[in-house]
Amino acid sequence: AQSVAQPEDQVNVAEGNPLTVKCTYSVSGNPYLFWYVQYPNRGLQFLLKYITGDNLVKGSYGFEAEFNKSQTSFHLKKPSALVSDSALYFCAVRDGSWGKLQFGAGTQVVVTP
Amino acid sequence: GAVVSQHPSWVICKSGTSVKIECRSLDFQATTMFWYRQFPKQSLMLMATSNEGSKATYEQGVEKDKFLINHASLTLSTLTVTSAHPEDSSFYICSASPSTGTEEAFFGQGTRLTVV
Repeated sequence: AQSVAQPEDQVNVAEGNPLTVKCTYSVSGNPYLFWYVQYPNRGLQFLLKYITGDNLVKGSYGFEAEFNKSQTSFHLKKPSALVSDSALYFCAVRDGSWGKLQFGAGTQVVVTP
Repeated sequence: GAVVSQHPSWVICKSGTSVKIECRSLDFQATTMFWYRQFPKQSLMLMATSNEGSKATYEQGVEKDKFLINHASLTLSTLTVTSAHPEDSSFYICSASPSTGTEEAFFGQGTRLTVV
């Protein structure tokens, strides 16, 4: 069985400061890891993914994430947050190339001016 | 990235009526699409996997007779909420992935259903 944990319901950060959204996962096989962002009353937008290769992956809008196999983590980061980054962020995992996506509970990011 | 279009964006219907939601992959073919339900400030709950040309696979606890799914072509899946009740009010989202060349799923913009 696969699972994803996002330990923080909400993350508050001042504009210009670094932003980190935590995610840990559990899968039996090779993890396919994803980050998505959701704005109010909208679908999910893909930010980045880790499938294989370099542990540090870069994605859209200046976001990046680091895959850490020993800690089974895939934290999302942005060096300098913008007010427009305020949204709901979801980490998701899939066990291998096929199958269902398992989503975390989501983390609300609030960036204050 | 690939585009998934969902229609309508929002709908209000009376109790007892049926509502159809469409999910289209605009620039790729999708043999499989997924339907999710999302409650306010909560995660996505997978309802069913829609398979082109065959019956959908429903998750445990999802009533297949209430949430009818049809995947008649490689670019269109529909979710029909039959005999809707106020407790069916929710945000419904579909997703799809191109068959090859990419691993991520692409999501529709969601449909806000309100049953009055």
